[in-house]
Amino acid sequence: GAVVSQHPSWVICKSGTSVKIECRSLDFQATTMFWYRQFPKQSLMLMATSNEGSKATYEQGVEKDKFLINHASLTLSTLTVTSAHPEDSSFYICSARGLGVYEQFFGPGTRLTVL
Amino acid sequence: GEDVEQSLFLSVREGDSSVINCTYTDSSSTYLYWYKQEPGAGLQLLTYIFSNMDMKQDQRLTVLLNKKDKHLSLRIADTQTGDSAIYFCAESVNTDKLIFGTGTRLQVFP
Repeated sequence: GAVVSQHPSWVICKSGTSVKIECRSLDFQATTMFWYRQFPKQSLMLMATSNEGSKATYEQGVEKDKFLINHASLTLSTLTVTSAHPEDSSFYICSARGLGVYEQFFGPGTRLTVL
Repeated sequence: GEDVEQSLFLSVREGDSSVINCTYTDSSSTYLYWYKQEPGAGLQLLTYIFSNMDMKQDQRLTVLLNKKDKHLSLRIADTQTGDSAIYFCAESVNTDKLIFGTGTRLQVFP
């Protein structure tokens, strides 16, 4: 099946710094990538949808200047959490979907802890 | 609006069947999915059903869809300890984004 990787798998950073998370589709071209956020013992909340070569579409309540998304190629999307604060600590999961395909393939997630 | 609800917890004995229920509100859903999440990991797609189907069976998994009541269920036959995880149902809206349920934690005991 299709494989999606994320890097890093976990990261700890100081408050005020920026953190970049990568999401890669390893064996298919991902025309669309999605970024989700999951708080402990809660469901996944969609943050944004990005199409390759276009600006990301953010869900209501998600600050686009704080969560910068870049989808510059068909195999890579990045999420940068700028000026991170402790309340940004969460599990971030990406998913990827190929052209004309309904199914999203999920990455293993990145746990961000902001001190 | 879009809202997907699940019961929070289910505990079953090994070898028994598990039934996880889900209700949704958006009648325009195209596909409905069941995902499994193990601790600290991403989501694994278990199965999905198209909205014009009533039932789908895949080995130990049976999905039932009652579109009139907007009710989806996942039955796991012969539940094993390895099935212990959190199970999410999700609906696809406008073929684009997924709306996830609240998740059901399944615990299987010997």
